[in-house]
Amino acid sequence: GAGVSQSPSNKVTEKGKDVELRCDPISGHTALYWYRQSLGQGLEFLIYFQGNSAPDKSGLPSDRFSAERTGGSVSTLTIQRTQQEDSAVYLCASSFTSGGTAGELFFGEGSRLTVL
Amino acid sequence: AQSVTQLDSHVSVSEGTPVLLRCNYSSSYSPSLFWYVQHPNKGLQLLLKYTSAATLVKGINGFEAEFKKSETSFHLTKPSAHMSDAAEYFCVVSDRQKLTFGTGTRLTIIP
Repeated sequence: GAGVSQSPSNKVTEKGKDVELRCDPISGHTALYWYRQSLGQGLEFLIYFQGNSAPDKSGLPSDRFSAERTGGSVSTLTIQRTQQEDSAVYLCASSFTSGGTAGELFFGEGSRLTVL
Repeated sequence: AQSVTQLDSHVSVSEGTPVLLRCNYSSSYSPSLFWYVQHPNKGLQLLLKYTSAATLVKGINGFEAEFKKSETSFHLTKPSAHMSDAAEYFCVVSDRQKLTFGTGTRLTIIP
């Protein structure tokens, strides 16, 4: 597609349930990022995929969070046993990086997660 | 390690007056710096970026920013605010691959 696509756009779940958030990056973009944006906060880095390299998971807040990127394209962020503090907008971004320099990030419109 | 500080969480200006959104950064490397804008219920959009070329960077919608290494600053300016500029603005620093976002500045335009 023309831009980064995220689904679902809104998700309401009960505490303790698992959720999956999907990101479809721009075709040809080698880098994919997940960020979390909580109300009144900046963007919190979660995880970064670059090509076939091992992902940078340093931002994942707990072992309930995991992400994968299949075939170097679509990514899924999974949150297990959701807690109320997981409520946030989860943003995905992709970029075409070259020479080890971060390029422009193209963001999706986010998945708003509400945990009741 | 890298970090970015946006000095104002909220800025209000009257339509037609100048805009100044402040950003200071720290980085172990020669950084790349960006400003992103987020309109309500929209994704983030790149306004401009600095990548060690000209220190004065011009972006979209009349915005520009000046990289000042001695002050470790990358403030965003616009000569004349427009109602459509009302949004959240994020300063971003990058060394190598990882980008670090500031906490954002909400810009309100007073008619």
